[in-house]
Amino acid sequence: SQKIEQNSEALNIQEGKTATLTCNYTNYSPAYLQWYRQDPGRGPVFLLLIRENEKEKRKERLKVTFDTTLKQSLFHITASQPADSATYLCALVGGSSNTGKLIFGQGTTLQVKP
Amino acid sequence: EAGVAQSPRYKIIEKRQSVAFWCNPISGHATLYWYQQILGQGPKLLIQFQNNGVVDDSQLPKDRFSAERLKGVDSTLKIQPAKLEDSAVYLCASSLRGGGSGDTQYFGPGTRLTVL
Repeated sequence: SQKIEQNSEALNIQEGKTATLTCNYTNYSPAYLQWYRQDPGRGPVFLLLIRENEKEKRKERLKVTFDTTLKQSLFHITASQPADSATYLCALVGGSSNTGKLIFGQGTTLQVKP
Repeated sequence: EAGVAQSPRYKIIEKRQSVAFWCNPISGHATLYWYQQILGQGPKLLIQFQNNGVVDDSQLPKDRFSAERLKGVDSTLKIQPAKLEDSAVYLCASSLRGGGSGDTQYFGPGTRLTVL
């Protein structure tokens, strides 16, 4: 069955460092992979989309890589700030019946300490 | 631009009671989604509408859950009767096109349901 796994343990880092979050998947061939941010009591907010034929995407301090051979995406936040503290969700889109349905991982909580 | 609106924000009911949630998507968005997010998990799609037609309801427990999107705009999700395991946050999202375009989904704040 399809499975998406993110680091279940919270990631604690010091302000200014680079945070790296991992998303692994099995039994799936996504057309796209998206990353969302979710703050407590709020809905997820879209951050980045990367296509299956793209290796890397950047947006300001954010970088996403997508390795379809390893079936893995890495999400980097450089020069992290306490305001980056949140839960980050990866979501796969596509597959054999591409309706645009998002399949989410369980999320990784990032805590950036000043 | 107004975001996705949901109401109520919180609801507490007893098991076997019924409950309804309302969603108003971003104006002009063709596709509307309802997700269930259990504490500590990612959102799980319950049902997807394209305009007022159902695209995917494969994970909707149809014996107790129902949803409709009248006139292709607002939508309601109903649970009847509720079970303890339905305690979760119910998120509504919308996107401009949907389908296989990889369209950005815009989420509402969610309704937190507690079933006692």
